Amino acid sequence: NAGVMQNPRHLVRRRGQEARLRCSPMKGHSHVYWYRQLPEEGLKFMVYLQKENIIDESGMPKERFSAEFPKEGPSILRIQQVVRGDSAAYFCASSPPFPGEQYFGPGTRLTVT
Amino acid sequence: GENVEQHPSTLSVQEGDSAVIKCTYSDSASNYFPWYKQELGKRPQLIIDIRSNVGEKKDQRIAVTLNKTAKHFSLHITETQPEDSAVYFCAAREGAQKLVFGQGTRLTINP
Repeated sequence: NAGVMQNPRHLVRRRGQEARLRCSPMKGHSHVYWYRQLPEEGLKFMVYLQKENIIDESGMPKERFSAEFPKEGPSILRIQQVVRGDSAAYFCASSPPFPGEQYFGPGTRLTVT
Repeated sequence: GENVEQHPSTLSVQEGDSAVIKCTYSDSASNYFPWYKQELGKRPQLIIDIRSNVGEKKDQRIAVTLNKTAKHFSLHITETQPEDSAVYFCAAREGAQKLVFGQGTRLTINP
């Protein structure tokens, strides 16, 4: 039973480029969450999605960041025009339909040069 | 919204001793409190959780206690081993699903 999958594991972007991070939830899980972790810090909630719906995006910066979870395929976190401050580890988690445990993927480490 | 405070930020114990990490939360409506262990460069791993209708839960060397009145919960690790060294995060669930995390505790087990 595969766990939560994320790719790429490492991503290097120059300032001004776009970053696309992908997350495939565990089998049977229909809820996806994105969290950001800065070096030596805790995890900060960004967005919570179900298939084709954004349920809570209260942690997402108002500009440059967007997320989707289409009917088919992985969830995508998109960061446009990246800046150095976007450098962080981005973790995706998934949970089953009934409010339950969240299981994390291995993360994508984004470095903006 | 929910706010979670975690203490201490670093903890060093001798192998075989016990370790205790404490968290407080602000939203009395929060009803689910997981603990995650994160090793360097790895994903956070769920190690134990507790729901608001339970006061204590134990799994081998790990236990969690919850005091709803005081709005605090604690992680207890007994008979610590070197492989317990990691950063531990507490969290509280706000609303339907969103987790709010504490700042983390770096636990070091000294042989």
